[in-house]
Amino acid sequence: NAGVTQTPKFQVLKTGQSMTLQCAQDMNHNSMYWYRQDPGMGLRLIYYSASEGTTDKGEVPNGYNVSRLNKREFSLRLESAAPSQTSVYFCASIEPQGYEQYFGPGTRLTVT
Amino acid sequence: RKEVEQDPGPFNVPEGATVAFNCTYSNSASQSFFWYRQDCRKEPKLLMSVYSSGNEDGRFTAQLNRASQYISLLIRDSKLSDSATYLCVVTRYSTLTFGKGTMLLVSP
Repeated sequence: NAGVTQTPKFQVLKTGQSMTLQCAQDMNHNSMYWYRQDPGMGLRLIYYSASEGTTDKGEVPNGYNVSRLNKREFSLRLESAAPSQTSVYFCASIEPQGYEQYFGPGTRLTVT
Repeated sequence: RKEVEQDPGPFNVPEGATVAFNCTYSNSASQSFFWYRQDCRKEPKLLMSVYSSGNEDGRFTAQLNRASQYISLLIRDSKLSDSATYLCVVTRYSTLTFGKGTMLLVSP
């Protein structure tokens, strides 16, 4: 049981490049989330998916798109990366009827 | 006013000390409350849930005051391994809102 996995762990992009961050969970959770964490800003919600087939914007969605590919997978796409998107990105899922979120190990993204 | 506010820290304490973290939240419709712990360069992990009646888990005690919209975490007999950032979390429906966290540094 791997929990929540994320790939890649590290990435460096040039401004304007695109990339997709992958997330998968094997706990049969319905809801999945993408956060970014910046120094002094705490964790901020980018997008979430309450169930397969639905996605909703969080606090900071601009510059990102998401896809809930199936119940297990929730990807985050940066179409045209900007230096302001340099951050640590965490994916998480939540157990049904509960509020404990399980986080992946994070992706450290640098945009130059 | 930010939705979830915490003491910015860091808190520097010696081993064996008792330390208390405070958190306030602005949305009175918040439904559930938690403390998460985050080690340096790691993902957050649930430490404990917080109930109005107060709850204890070993050296950790959490308390919720809904009237004051205030949450606390008390750590007794601090250990070196308690050094981490403690995140206050409130939920409403399926959305969790995190405070910025308070860093704790426990020294020998």
